[in-house]
Amino acid sequence: DVKVTQSSRYLVKRTGEKVFLECVQDMDHENMFWYRQDPGLGLRLIYFSYDVKMKEKGDIPEGYSVSREKKERFSLILESASTNQTSMYLCASSWRGLPGANVLTFGAGSRLTVL
Amino acid sequence: AQTVTQSQPEMSVQEAETVTLSCTYDTSESDYYLFWYKQPPSRQMILVIRQEAYKQQNATENRFSVNFQKAAKSFSLKISDSQLGDAAMYFCAYFSQGGSEKLVFGKGMKLTVNP
Repeated sequence: DVKVTQSSRYLVKRTGEKVFLECVQDMDHENMFWYRQDPGLGLRLIYFSYDVKMKEKGDIPEGYSVSREKKERFSLILESASTNQTSMYLCASSWRGLPGANVLTFGAGSRLTVL
Repeated sequence: AQTVTQSQPEMSVQEAETVTLSCTYDTSESDYYLFWYKQPPSRQMILVIRQEAYKQQNATENRFSVNFQKAAKSFSLKISDSQLGDAAMYFCAYFSQGGSEKLVFGKGMKLTVNP
């Protein structure tokens, strides 16, 4: 049944480490998204991708990069993790091109703690 | 830029009672879509209900219904016969293809259901 899988539910990393968060969807969706969720701030878009090898910055891209080499996989990369990147990270996917089709299917989330 | 405001960070309701969650948004677009998403504790976010702005009829999904007031830019969610499983974070969201083409989320609201 599940559709969007995030590889790690909980991660603990040290400051300066390179962190990879992986997301895979099995619905053949064109769009994939990475959000960051913090209490009182809601969901903030980090990056999104409309197609393989394409990426667009969201509202808070600083300190992050992404990779989409295959349609089903969208990776979020923290090149040098910092404590202010401690957060819940949500991956989502959706169809593209249909009006109102931006009904997102979310993964379960990855809670990252940077020490 | 479009914004979505959920003014009440927390609400509580007695089981079997009715509760209304408020959401307002700001846009200059005439054609857009509004969503309510639900995030149960430690579980993934799911779509509750969706409303197309061009439709005057309010959307309903079983015990969930919306009160869409386009002129007032208001989109409230009514939960009837509240159940313990309705306890969750609820997020209001906005999407317009004429706008940023990204889903814009409110900051969320925590609903507690008391037995």
